[in-house]
Amino acid sequence: AQRVTQPEKLLSVFKGAPVELKCNYSYSGSPELFWYVQYSRQRLQLLLRHISRESIKGFTADLNKGETSFHLKKPFAQEEDSAMYYCALPFEGTDKLIFGTGTRLQVFP
Amino acid sequence: EAGVAQSPRYKIIEKRQSVAFWCNPISGHATLYWYQQILGQGPKLLIQFQNNGVVDDSQLPKDRFSAERLKGVDSTLKIQPAKLEDSAVYLCASSGRTGFLNNEQFFGPGTRLTVL
Repeated sequence: AQRVTQPEKLLSVFKGAPVELKCNYSYSGSPELFWYVQYSRQRLQLLLRHISRESIKGFTADLNKGETSFHLKKPFAQEEDSAMYYCALPFEGTDKLIFGTGTRLQVFP
Repeated sequence: EAGVAQSPRYKIIEKRQSVAFWCNPISGHATLYWYQQILGQGPKLLIQFQNNGVVDDSQLPKDRFSAERLKGVDSTLKIQPAKLEDSAVYLCASSGRTGFLNNEQFFGPGTRLTVL
């Protein structure tokens, strides 16, 4: 069965430190993955998607098919990065998303 | 561009009561999703509409949950009767295209339901 795993419920770092939020998936096909973010008192919103190969707000994510991972990285965390981050995988080639349980990132000053 | 609207924002009911949630998607978005997010978990899709037709309702507990999108715009999600385990945030989302893997889904603010 398809599954998205985010092993860390909470990740705490100091401002300026590197950040890596882990996401592992199980899917036999060619996955297209997303990272969604929810800032405090705001709506869940798309941060970035694998196919775009983009860097948004300094974040990047690389798909590693060998390790079945799509970790989210940022070299220097900022306080405004504090939020809930969800990794998501489309179900069997549809636009139905399977979300992980989320990781709360806390960036301390 | 106005975002996805949901109401009410909060609802507290007792078990066995009924409750309904309303969603107005972004104008022109054909696809509408209802998700259930239980505390500590990620959103779980309950039902997906394209225009006024159901694309996927495999995760909808049909003995107590129902949803409709009669005119292909607004949607309502109903729970009747509610159980304690239905306490969750109910999220509505919309997207502009169906069947594309890289669709961005736009989420509403959610309705927080507490069942006592």
